[in-house]
Amino acid sequence: QVQLQQSGPGLVKPSQTLSLNCAISGDSVSSNSAVWNWIRQSPSRGLQWLGRTYYRSKWYYEYAVSVKSRIIISVDTSKNQFYLQLNSVTPDDTAVYYCARGYCIGGSCASGPAFDYWGQGALVTVSS
Amino acid sequence: EIVLTQSPGTLSLSPGERATLSCRASQSISSIYLVWYQQKPGQAPRLLIHAASSRATGIPDRFSGSGSGTDFTLTISRLEPEDLAVYYCQHYGTSPPYTFGQGTKLEIK
Repeated sequence: QVQLQQSGPGLVKPSQTLSLNCAISGDSVSSNSAVWNWIRQSPSRGLQWLGRTYYRSKWYYEYAVSVKSRIIISVDTSKNQFYLQLNSVTPDDTAVYYCARGYCIGGSCASGPAFDYWGQGALVTVSS
Repeated sequence: EIVLTQSPGTLSLSPGERATLSCRASQSISSIYLVWYQQKPGQAPRLLIHAASSRATGIPDRFSGSGSGTDFTLTISRLEPEDLAVYYCQHYGTSPPYTFGQGTKLEIK
């Protein structure tokens, strides 16, 4: 059973950096089948995909255009974790942040990919 | 970027009734890439349906998905009180961004 366990501060000051961890159990961050994502949810924006990382002979990182200048996703294979760093935050970045696994269900992308496992979510408030 | 529009915004039904939730895409998409999630209060979203009509593991057969092109539907037959949730559709295409609809809130009377 795959589990994603998130951790990180719940309060960040404006202009500072938001940092969150996602610890994976039951799968490997280096899996050739999975993609590891960060998603956030707020009343104003709804569910918003932020970025992803995956390993296919080398590491790939892709980000949403809206946050591309401020976001870094990184990986620690020794800890089987991946991380979100969002710089220069404003109150508009206040949201519940989720990590999630992207996977081709049943092992075949012809069966459709989806976010099949999610972390528990972390409310991050940006306020002074 | 694909924009997904869900309707209605809120649906209020009684136990035992049938719920029909709509998701319309701004352009035609492959049904392989249309996903439905259920989000109960205080919880993370949960995968319900992938590839427009395939139930995820452990999802009761009361939940079914259908559609193609730009119009997709999630149907919940025989509503139960535990189905109280917000339901989201998502386009999980071959490359990002991965967009979500704004959600349909299902209330159980």
